[in-house]
Amino acid sequence: GAGVSQSPSNKVTEKGKDVELRCDPISGHTALYWYRQSLGQGLEFLIYFQGNSAPDKSGLPSDRFSAERTGGSVSTLTIQRTQQEDSAVYLCASSPHYDHEQYFGPGTRLTVT
Amino acid sequence: SQQGEEDPQALSIQEGENATMNCSYKTSINNLQWYRQNSGRGLVHLILIRSNEREKHSGRLRVTLDTSKKSSSLLITASRAADTASYFCATVSGSARQLTFGSGTQLTVLP
Repeated sequence: GAGVSQSPSNKVTEKGKDVELRCDPISGHTALYWYRQSLGQGLEFLIYFQGNSAPDKSGLPSDRFSAERTGGSVSTLTIQRTQQEDSAVYLCASSPHYDHEQYFGPGTRLTVT
Repeated sequence: SQQGEEDPQALSIQEGENATMNCSYKTSINNLQWYRQNSGRGLVHLILIRSNEREKHSGRLRVTLDTSKKSSSLLITASRAADTASYFCATVSGSARQLTFGSGTQLTVLP
């Protein structure tokens, strides 16, 4: 079946602009995660959605970052007023349950110039 | 923050040899998972071992878990050039629902 998809695959933006990254999880997966992978920082957790519960935003690095998950499916990660340090690969993952393996999308490579 | 450290950071072996990667973590866990990443993009899940398990197998993969030492190892037997990738351990701990990743091991299998 279809896996997790993310769009765009690459995004180049100017410092100060806003960007939106999209994630389509596997159908039926109630858990959705966003992670960021950057050089020197490894893979770091950003935000977690579980069903209709309030999201766990504890990993968001600043208030410029926000995310939504509409209808328990598609999620959008928004970065406002992008900075060069936001350059990274943003990975989305979904899972049928938090205690199960996660299925990752191919990621969006964000470059802030 | 990184939960775990992986050892070695890089490993280069000949095709057909076995590869062993180690992972240490800091806090009590619910489960530990290993993932593979090719070319810095999406991660592929390899195996999940729960805190009450000590060993698990999947094809050419063998994972061990020692909760007393807060460590795990991943063994890949009879390696192939296609196994060349970065390998990460990741843990789920306590009430947290997200994965906390180790720093990864870059494995190169030479043909």
